[in-house]
Amino acid sequence: DQQVKQNSPSLSVQEGRISILNCDYTNSMFDYFLWYKKYPAEGPTFLISISSIKDKNEDGRFTVFLNKSAKHLSLHIVPSQPGDSAVYFCAASASPSGTYKYIFGTGTRLKVLA
Amino acid sequence: GAGVSQSPSNKVTEKGKDVELRCDPISGHTALYWYRQSLGQGLEFLIYFQGNSAPDKSGLPSDRFSAERTGGSVSTLTIQRTQQEDSAVYLCASSRGTSGTGGETQYFGPGTRLLVL
Repeated sequence: DQQVKQNSPSLSVQEGRISILNCDYTNSMFDYFLWYKKYPAEGPTFLISISSIKDKNEDGRFTVFLNKSAKHLSLHIVPSQPGDSAVYFCAASASPSGTYKYIFGTGTRLKVLA
Repeated sequence: GAGVSQSPSNKVTEKGKDVELRCDPISGHTALYWYRQSLGQGLEFLIYFQGNSAPDKSGLPSDRFSAERTGGSVSTLTIQRTQQEDSAVYLCASSRGTSGTGGETQYFGPGTRLLVL
């Protein structure tokens, strides 16, 4: 039972355009969400996060939107650059005190075309 | 400062053999996590260590899998009697381990790619 779903395994976007990566979750107890980026042969690296008390968080070219009623979050990259080509994972956690077990989606492979 | 390191980077073994995978977390991080990524799958949580607390082993897929963390730092994931379905990338992550509201960032190592023939 996949609690965090990334239904698009891949996405191709032209350089300079917007990339939108989507993530859906089923557990209403999730209260913290992150996006990680992964290059081949490397571990995932943290990109951006959002707490459930917010509906938007922005960091440079990256913005994460959270729609709690729809149990949906998305990552927007504007403008997209070839170096953004990677696999993007969303992750969610429900954090009772002292534990931070993240549930990851299966990832979306983004290819930014020059 | 040094990030999370893992060794070996690649491991090829024969079915039925035991393997040990090592993780060196970021110095000072009290929380340590092991994940597995099989081909075409997301990261699958395996086990979580936090300080001196009993580890959360809820993600270990079978009793062939075990992990320990000695001295609150280095961790070893052991897979006994490996099977072909154990082939995957095994990722270790660490975090500061502060409790309280909100989540915290996990810093990942490069992973160990395990192939069981």
